[in-house]
Amino acid sequence: EAGVAQSPRYKIIEKRQSVAFWCNPISGHATLYWYQQILGQGPKLLIQFQNNGVVDDSQLPKDRFSAERLKGVDSTLKIQPAKLEDSAVYLCASSSNTQGANVLTFGAGSRLTVL
Amino acid sequence: QKEVEQDPGPLSVPEGAIVSLNCTYSNSAFQYFMWYRQYSRKGPELLMYTYSSGNKEDGRFTAQVDKSSKYISLFIRDSQPSDSATYLCASTLYSGAGSYQLTFGKGTKLSVIP
Repeated sequence: EAGVAQSPRYKIIEKRQSVAFWCNPISGHATLYWYQQILGQGPKLLIQFQNNGVVDDSQLPKDRFSAERLKGVDSTLKIQPAKLEDSAVYLCASSSNTQGANVLTFGAGSRLTVL
Repeated sequence: QKEVEQDPGPLSVPEGAIVSLNCTYSNSAFQYFMWYRQYSRKGPELLMYTYSSGNKEDGRFTAQVDKSSKYISLFIRDSQPSDSATYLCASTLYSGAGSYQLTFGKGTKLSVIP
């Protein structure tokens, strides 16, 4: 089974610029998550999709962050304009919800540095 | 108050030592309790999970949950240098529409010295 694919792995931008991250979840996984992990902290949920609908985006800074999951498969997370405090690793994860434990499989992450 | 609290360490132990990692949580509605391991520059990977109070063992790893005191523990026996990583505790909460949310602690960075 192929894992969760993310790209790009690394991105360096100036503040106020824009950036987009792409995620391809495990085939058949209905739920897709974007987490933000700041250095030294645990992952924080930004947005959760169930198929192509949003389940929870309460912690997404909607003035600058947006995400979509077209056709219930791939997803894109965009930041525009970026701030210094957006420097973090953006983790995509997916799950199949076939188990009550809801095991998430994570991608390797996209590391963003905002200068 | 953050819902899952975890001492970030760092924690440094000699090879072969028993390691104890701990978390507390505040939300009684949490259902499953998980431990993820994250190597440097990698995504978290699931180590094990438990549902009820008690112990669950998998090789050198034992997860323990005490729901009465809202306490989660992970024990690593005969620790190896390859166990050096950040360990994240997490708890799940049903978020509706057949899906669940996962809330993480800050993670504890463990170094096992040869």
